[in-house]
Amino acid sequence: GENVEQHPSTLSVQEGDSAVIKCTYSDSASNYFPWYKQELGKRPQLIIDIRSNVGEKKDQRIAVTLNKTAKHFSLHITETQPEDSAVYFCAARPNSGNTPLVFGKGTRLSVIA
Amino acid sequence: DARVTQTPRDKVTEMGQEVTMRCQPILGHNTVFWYRQTMMQGLELLAYFRNRAPLDDSGMPKDRFSAEMPDATLATLKIQPSEPRDSAVYFCASGTRDSTDTQYFGPGTRLTVL
Repeated sequence: GENVEQHPSTLSVQEGDSAVIKCTYSDSASNYFPWYKQELGKRPQLIIDIRSNVGEKKDQRIAVTLNKTAKHFSLHITETQPEDSAVYFCAARPNSGNTPLVFGKGTRLSVIA
Repeated sequence: DARVTQTPRDKVTEMGQEVTMRCQPILGHNTVFWYRQTMMQGLELLAYFRNRAPLDDSGMPKDRFSAEMPDATLATLKIQPSEPRDSAVYFCASGTRDSTDTQYFGPGTRLTVL
């Protein structure tokens, strides 16, 4: 089955710097890769996603890149702000439809003002 | 802005008691997932349903956990009897089998078993 590895587990950056979180997946049939942000005591919320027919997607300060050959995808946050501090989860879905997402273990991002 | 809802938001109970958690998926979503989140294990998939039918509950301890969907607007997760190691946040998520493939999470039920 699919296995998703996420690195680093914790990340501290200065406000205004960029943050990068990386994930690898094992199942080459996976075709959907969302990223969730979870603030303390809150639900995981989808912030951006990418499909296997796209190499990069941007939404304001966040971007996701996908390398299907290497089976890895990354989240990039530019000009980080204190409100970006949260736990970020990557996920991968093998095939589509019936199969649930497989999540990474999460990255705790701290943005230091 | 449609959202998944869960009740209760917090539950404190004593070991051995029955606990029932409820979830209302987003209207029109036909897939419901139950996750458990702890500091040590991250997000664990317990079970999921498609069109109210259970597709996989291999993540659940079968002797004490049960999950059902009595109708399309209600999913339940029951623990009987509860144990201290069941203390965690339980999330419900819903989604559709369409081009988005996205799962949307509810606010979670924080369960503490004393």
